[in-house]
Amino acid sequence: DAKTTQPTSMDCAEGRAANLPCNHSTISGNEYVYWYRQIHSQGPQYIIHGLKNNETNEMASLIITEDRKSSTLILPHATLRDTAVYYCIVRAGYEKLTFGTGTRLTIIP
Amino acid sequence: KAGVTQTPRYLIKTRGQQVTLSCSPISGHRSVSWYQQTPGQGLQFLFEYFSETQRNKGNFPGRFSGRQFSNSRSEMNVSTLELGDSALYLCASSATGVSGGVHEQFFGPGTRLTVL
Repeated sequence: DAKTTQPTSMDCAEGRAANLPCNHSTISGNEYVYWYRQIHSQGPQYIIHGLKNNETNEMASLIITEDRKSSTLILPHATLRDTAVYYCIVRAGYEKLTFGTGTRLTIIP
Repeated sequence: KAGVTQTPRYLIKTRGQQVTLSCSPISGHRSVSWYQQTPGQGLQFLFEYFSETQRNKGNFPGRFSGRQFSNSRSEMNVSTLELGDSALYLCASSATGVSGGVHEQFFGPGTRLTVL
């Protein structure tokens, strides 16, 4: 079973920041938070991951609360190409990725 | 660096047949994982191979099997196909080492299998 809870769907206006929340209240100390996204019928795409510090890369930022029980993925300037299903996953070491139902993000022109 | 490649991209089979799908990981990656995606069950983990050994296994029947070659390329096989095996089969590679560590998985485009 997935260890995360995400909203089923969200909308965001093009050009605005998209903030996708994720709850992982049972996360263990050695588990990382990963974010992937899947554009229709394509393979999932890795976005970012973190342990307890905030992380940023060319695609997104990941904000993890101090207690690590929740996190937020931020796409700073959403474009139509960011429309996808976003998956938040917690994982330790080389464990399998357990995908939940994710959040369907729709970018509105 | 070339990404993960999967062949074939599309496949149509009939019930009772068997099928073999192939995955070539990113150069230098030694871990290959397989996932099944269906509308009803979502993305589900099948198995993972590392250095030609199965390291993790999901909850699928024995009809689903896999192997990994010395060059890290991997194949999965489904025998006695059922209608419910129609799905997108995804392969992912990772640079993870023997002791684990934190490494992201990179997915291929998938093979869409239709069982008639």
